[in-house]
Amino acid sequence: DAGVTQSPTHLIKTRGQQVTLRCSPKSGHDTVSWYQQALGQGPQFIFQYYEEEERQRGNFPDRFSGHQFPNYSSELNVNALLLGDSALYLCASGRSGNQPQHFGDGTRLSIL
Amino acid sequence: KQEVTQIPAALSVPEGENLVLNCSFTDSAIYNLQWFRQDPGKGLTSLLLIQSSQREQTSGRLNASLDKSSGRSTLYIAASQPGDSATYLCAVNEGNKLVFGAGTILRVKS
Repeated sequence: DAGVTQSPTHLIKTRGQQVTLRCSPKSGHDTVSWYQQALGQGPQFIFQYYEEEERQRGNFPDRFSGHQFPNYSSELNVNALLLGDSALYLCASGRSGNQPQHFGDGTRLSIL
Repeated sequence: KQEVTQIPAALSVPEGENLVLNCSFTDSAIYNLQWFRQDPGKGLTSLLLIQSSQREQTSGRLNASLDKSSGRSTLYIAASQPGDSATYLCAVNEGNKLVFGAGTILRVKS
């Protein structure tokens, strides 16, 4: 049984570019959440998707957007990249109803 | 706004010692609390989850306690091993999101 899988594992972009990160949830899970983890800090909640809708959003600008597909997989899109967007982006999946969250290994995004 | 604080920020102990990591949170309206382990450059591995109605959970050498009224949780690691070296994060579940502390970096010396 595969866990949460994220792609790509590493990505290098330049300022102003756009990026798409992908996440496949653990089998049986229907919610997908995205977190940003800067170096030396705890993860910060970006948003959660459930039934293909954004259910809740953290304190992130509109440059951060997402999508959930009918098979529950999800994408995180970031436009107009800034140097400060360099971070580890983590995807977490779970069953709706405050069940334990399971995390993927993340995508390391570096902005030059 | 929920704030989660972890103390100490870093800890270095000799192999075999028992140790306690602390986590405090400001808003007691939580659904549950999770402890995670993170190895360098990797994702998060869930260690223990305590529901808001529970007082503690145990898994092997790990024991986590929760005092919701005082906004505190502790993670107790017995007989520490070099393989326990990692960053330990606690997170409170506020419904659809987890709020994390900054973590405790643990180093167990052989």
